[in-house]
Amino acid sequence: ETGVTQSPTHLIKTRGQQVTLRCSSQSGHNTVSWYQQALGQGPQFIFQYYREEENGRGNFPPRFSGLQFPNYSSELNVNALELDDSALYLCASSLPDNYGYTFGSGTRLTVV
Amino acid sequence: GQNIDQPTEMTATEGAIVQINCTYQTSGFNGLFWYQQHAGEAPTFLSYNVLDGLEEKGRFSSFLSRSKGYSYLLLKELQMKDSASYLCANSGNTPLVFGKGTRLSVIA
Repeated sequence: ETGVTQSPTHLIKTRGQQVTLRCSSQSGHNTVSWYQQALGQGPQFIFQYYREEENGRGNFPPRFSGLQFPNYSSELNVNALELDDSALYLCASSLPDNYGYTFGSGTRLTVV
Repeated sequence: GQNIDQPTEMTATEGAIVQINCTYQTSGFNGLFWYQQHAGEAPTFLSYNVLDGLEEKGRFSSFLSRSKGYSYLLLKELQMKDSASYLCANSGNTPLVFGKGTRLSVIA
């Protein structure tokens, strides 16, 4: 069984640019959640996707958006990047009961 | 809303026992999770409690009291590799909500 794969592992963007991060869920998992983790902080919930629909959202502005595809993989898009968006972005897959989260290794985004 | 509190940092000696506490306030409760996270890596699952009491898994144990909104993670026979952040997370009416994490340093 494959785990959760995220790409890219590291990324540097300029303020104002747009970025797309990708996540392949663990085999058998149909729910994907995205988290933002600033340095020294715990992961903050961005949103969750289930069956290609957004299924819950945290306190993040609309410039954070996402997609889930029929194979349950997912994308996180961030528009108009700000310096404070610099963080580790984690993807976690699970079944809809929200137990048994499996995390990917994350994408380290640096906005300069 | 949900609020999870845990100490920011702890230091313990190799071979010793350390207890990391977590208190939570939540509008719903489906379980309390503990994750370990080494610097720059993904969180890895350690334990899950949904009923009151102690769950033991090797060197790691986790305790839950739902009436007190309280949990702790107990690490025995500490090893240098246990130096990491330990995240308490609650599964309520929303996906997992994490505390800020406790950074544990194990010293010789």
